[in-house]
Formats: sequence, structure tokens, C-alpha cells
Amino acid sequence: EPEVTQTPSHQVTQMGQEVILRCVPISNHLYFYWYRQILGQKVEFLVSFYNNEISEKSEIFDDQFSVERPDGSNFTLKIRSTKLEDSAMYFCASSPIDQPQHFGDGTRLSIL
Amino acid sequence: EDQVTQSPEALRLQEGESSSLNCSYTVSGLRGLFWYRQDPGKGPEFLFTLYSAGEEKEKERLKATLTKKESFLHITAPKPEDSATYLCAVHGPYNTDKLIFGTGTRLQVFP
Repeated sequence: EPEVTQTPSHQVTQMGQEVILRCVPISNHLYFYWYRQILGQKVEFLVSFYNNEISEKSEIFDDQFSVERPDGSNFTLKIRSTKLEDSAMYFCASSPIDQPQHFGDGTRLSIL
Repeated sequence: EDQVTQSPEALRLQEGESSSLNCSYTVSGLRGLFWYRQDPGKGPEFLFTLYSAGEEKEKERLKATLTKKESFLHITAPKPEDSATYLCAVHGPYNTDKLIFGTGTRLQVFP
């Protein structure tokens, strides 16, 4: 069964550094999402992406964050100038039109 | 404000002891309620979508139901492998595909 794959599984970064989290969505899906889950808290929506542009973003998704689909298979989340509070699990999801979202296993981001 | 509340936070069951998890929601114009299973260190795994009050979906020992204000995930004769966190989510209001999640119910099934 096709699945969403995310790399790396764990990223450790110094505060103030930039990180790029990578995702390969399911190949025939058209909608792409990033969510995050701070330890012990809810899964929170960050951004959705369709037709090569952001379709919606949350209040969390400020100028520190950006997304890109650099080619036909990858979907990336870039976090500039990381802060301690950016430490979380980051999940990528994808879906066809009007179908449930399927999630990857996440990247655990640890900011030191 | 659109919200999803799940109860209980945690549930311990003996193998074979059936029970139900609750998800209550407030959202403007429900366009779908979703149940996911999340194992430790993994991403949410899709289980069910429910769209309208009265709808029911089943998969093995799990059955999801929906009313106008809440959804239940019924677990019949659970096994230890059913141990996981069960997440409920709804689509945001019209013109958005974002999912709004509850905090989940952590289920432990003991042999």
C-alpha cells in the first residue's frame, strides 16, 4: 500500500539554525499538508498546499516557515532561525480530492 | 470556535472487555469526521470517515458512529494489539481542508 514517507526521522539542530524537513507524498495525491504535534499536545494544522501554492495556513505558520514542492515528488517544510519552542513532531500528509488525509510517520525535531 | 473534545483521556481494558470512546465536536457545517489510530512514535493512521448523522462504519473490532454533536468509537472484544491512541478530527468550516484534532484517547488493552 502506498504511503507518505518523511525524512529524516529525527533532526537535532542548534537554536537559530535553519532546518528542512522532507516529505514524499503518495504519488497520485494532489493536496499536501504539514501538521505538528508538540509533546503531549494535539496535532495542529500548519499549512495546506495545492496546485503549487499555499491554499491555507494557520497562525503558527508565520514568516519563519515556508513550504516548497521543488519537483514532482518532494514536499518540503523549511524553518528558518529555529527556536526552542519549534521542538515537536512534524507530520506531512497528503490526499486526493475530497478524500481522507494520509500521514507519514513524522520527523522529530529537537532544538538545542 | 471549532473544537473537538475526546473522552476519556485514557482507558485501560482487559482483553475482551468492550467499551466506547467519545468525540464531541462543534464545527460550522460538518464536512467530515475522521478517526485515526496513532501508535507511539508513528503518524496517525486513517481508520474511518463519517459524513452525516446516523452513519456507521465498521472495521474488524471497531465501529464508528455519528450524531449531530458527537461520534463514538466502539471497540468490541479488544485485543492487546488494539492498544494505541485514537484520534478524532473534523474538517474545518467551509472552504478549508485542514483537520482539527482532539487530544486523543490512549487505550491500553491487557491480556
